[in-house]
This record gives sequence, C-alpha cells and structure tokens, in this order.
Amino acid sequence: SAVISQKPSRDICQRGTSLTIQCQVDSQVTMMFWYRQQPGQSLTLIATANQGSEATYESGFVIDKFPISRPNLTFSTLTVSNMSPEDSSIYLCSVEVQAITEQYFGPGTRLTVT
Amino acid sequence: DQQVKQNSPSLSVQEGRISILNCDYTNSMFDYFLWYKKYPAEGPTFLISISSIKDKNEDGRFTVFLNKSAKHLSLHIVPSQPGDSAVYFCAASATGGGADGLTFGKGTHLIIQP
Repeated sequence: SAVISQKPSRDICQRGTSLTIQCQVDSQVTMMFWYRQQPGQSLTLIATANQGSEATYESGFVIDKFPISRPNLTFSTLTVSNMSPEDSSIYLCSVEVQAITEQYFGPGTRLTVT
Repeated sequence: DQQVKQNSPSLSVQEGRISILNCDYTNSMFDYFLWYKKYPAEGPTFLISISSIKDKNEDGRFTVFLNKSAKHLSLHIVPSQPGDSAVYFCAASATGGGADGLTFGKGTHLIIQP
C-alpha cells in the first residue's frame, strides 16, 4: 500500500482566483491520478499525472483550467485556475503502486468557491 | 451517460445480518472491478476487487460476485457490523486494472442499525 497526504485539506476561495493542491506519497509510484467529486456525485477522473511529460486529461477537462505538475515519482500538484462556484468539490489524488492493481487515495481537498 | 451505476443511494441493514450492495455497468470493455469504502472527510479506502475472468472473490467478511452476462456485480458483507456504516463505491477499469483511471458509481450509503 501507500500513504498519501494532500495539502491543503480544505480551503475557501474567491471567484477568479487559483488554488494549487499538493499530493505527496511515501514511496515511488508509477501512476498518479487526480479526481473530482462534486456534491452528490461520483468520483470523476480529471487526469493522469505522468512523470516527465504532460498530464493526460479526460474528456471535459483541459490543461488551462487544471494544470498538473509531476516533477518526480512521489509528488504531484493540481491547480484549479480562475475558479467559479461550480469548481466547489472534493479533489482527490490517487496512486497505483506498481504491479498492484488497486488505487490508493489521499484524504482529499475540500474546495469551496464563493 | 453513466457507465457504472449504483441504483440504491442508501441501504439500511440490521447488525449481524447480510448487507448486499449492487452495481451495474454498461461498458463491455471493463475487465476489472473494485469496491471502495468512504467515511466522511476521508478518501476512499480500497476494499476488494475482482477480475473479469472470475465470478467470485472472497476476503474475510467481504465477497464480491460478478455476473458478466448481466453486467452486474454485488458486494456481500456478512455479518454486518456498526463500523461498516459508510458510503460504498463501485469502480471499474478497462485496462486490466493497470495504467488507467477508474470509472466510479455514485455510491451507496450503507447504514448498519444496532
């Protein structure tokens, strides 16, 4: 398994600003992912954070809105840019430990945009 | 279009009895299925998984059944305990469980009554 931490755990932000969420893993992992859970909805994959190359985004998500960095095998950041109230969600990072198919999730970042 | 569906938003079961949580999927390419448990203010915790080459996987009190022809899976918890009260998410992957994100259902809130 892997121990995953996220910062911040929650934040309240004003419309039009940006927030960067950090995800730290206690061991080197190949695959890191970012998900969003809007109120009352399921978890939706935003993108796969690739080490050493650009992130791979799912349909409906774009790099200008959700830029992602993956500088090494234990760390990634997701930025929510030019926020609107519709961006109010829980943002979660997850990792897939090599040769193990289960994904492990961080505790999440609860974002409220006013 | 939801590819993974959990049609029961909530389920109430008496302590000691069996809890059965259901999940349906529409994408024939899914070949790996997972169940996650989520407590409030925490990230999802991996519970149990099953590959499409199997029809049953058991781990302690938890058993997952897969019916490929019906595109249906279920999670059985026997006996149910108060600590099992949580939201349970069904998730699926189309790449054998590796190198890809997961598609989640909306979750079922399981309430274990004393």
